[in-house]
Amino acid sequence: QQQVKQSPQSLIVQKGGISIINCAYENTAFDYFPWYQQFPGKGPALLIAIRPDVSEKKEGRFTISFNKSAKQFSLHIMDSQPGDSATYFCAASKGNFNKFYFGSGTKLNVKP
Amino acid sequence: KAGVTQTPRYLIKTRGQQVTLSCSPISGHRSVSWYQQTPGQGLQFLFEYFSETQRNKGNFPGRFSGRQFSNSRSEMNVSTLELGDSALYLCASTISGVSTDTQYFGPGTRLTVL
Repeated sequence: QQQVKQSPQSLIVQKGGISIINCAYENTAFDYFPWYQQFPGKGPALLIAIRPDVSEKKEGRFTISFNKSAKQFSLHIMDSQPGDSATYFCAASKGNFNKFYFGSGTKLNVKP
Repeated sequence: KAGVTQTPRYLIKTRGQQVTLSCSPISGHRSVSWYQQTPGQGLQFLFEYFSETQRNKGNFPGRFSGRQFSNSRSEMNVSTLELGDSALYLCASTISGVSTDTQYFGPGTRLTVL
């Protein structure tokens, strides 16, 4: 049973467009939601993270939108660039424990 | 400062063998977590070690084990390898093992079981 469901599996966006990746969770005990970016041959790298007490967090071109009642959160990449082409993972953890449940990943391809 | 290092980077084993993977965290980091990454199952949490003690464990069989040394370096062992154990094994380190700490991942060890 996958604790965090991620969609879409793959995404093609034109340069300058907005990339949107969605995640949904069932366990209401989750209280920390990070997003990771992974390039081929590399480990995932933390992009941005959010706690459920806020509905939105923005860092540069990356924004997390969080809907606690719907148990959903999403990553928006504004002004997408070819260098953003990578696989993105959402994740969740609970109770301050360093144990994360990851989504299945979204492969983003930004066309020049 | 140096990042998380994992050795070896690539490994080929046959069914029934055992394997040991190594992870050196960022200097000063006390928590090391291990993940298995496969195309079918994605990233799955194996276990976390903090100050030489296993604190969290995922849903993997007992064939998967690990340990952490006093210098925070960690090893992961898989015994009686199965074909399905072929995966990228990632380790990640954090300073204090709190979920809101930034997790720094290594490049992984690619294990192929034949």
